[in-house]
Amino acid sequence: QQQVKQSPQSLIVQKGGISIINCAYENTAFDYFPWYQQFPGKGPALLIAIRPDVSEKKEGRFTISFNKSAKQFSLHIMDSQPGDSATYFCAASIQGGSEKLVFGKGTKLTVNP
Amino acid sequence: EAQVTQNPRYLITVTGKKLTVTCSQNMNHEYMSWYRQDPGLGLRQIYYSMNVEVTDKGDVPEGYKVSRKEKRNFPLILESPSPNQTSLYFCASRERGRYGYTFGSGTRLTVV
Repeated sequence: QQQVKQSPQSLIVQKGGISIINCAYENTAFDYFPWYQQFPGKGPALLIAIRPDVSEKKEGRFTISFNKSAKQFSLHIMDSQPGDSATYFCAASIQGGSEKLVFGKGTKLTVNP
Repeated sequence: EAQVTQNPRYLITVTGKKLTVTCSQNMNHEYMSWYRQDPGLGLRQIYYSMNVEVTDKGDVPEGYKVSRKEKRNFPLILESPSPNQTSLYFCASRERGRYGYTFGSGTRLTVV
């Protein structure tokens, strides 16, 4: 049973454009929602994260939007650059008492020059 | 340099031959976890540990064992590997009070 659904599976964006990746979750007990970025041959690296008491979090060109009632959250990459080309994973976990972390299936982003 | 180190990076083995993938972190992190990554399936958690001698199952623990005898090490043991365990494996750790995991570079395992 997949607890976090991620879309799209792949995304091609022109340099300078906006990349948007969406995730939806089922378990309302989730209270931490990170995004990881993975380059080929490397392990995932934490990019940005949000907790459900906040509707938006911005770090540089990366923004998470969170809709608690719809159980959805999304990653927006503004002014996308070729160096942003990577696979992005959303995830969800329940903090405190457990280290279970559930990932989406990933989105391969390609930013064309 | 703060890091999670996995060994080996690549391994080809035969069905049924016991193997261990080592994982070590030098950041004094309390929490450690193992994941497998398969095309189209993303990352799936195998086991995690919240402290020395404290381990628990993730979503796909069947066919795997772990141990946490020391804080820095969290080896993944495949007692009798099968071809369906062919995958890319990642070890990760995090510090209590901080929520992001630091991942190793991965171990690509092929079971023939």
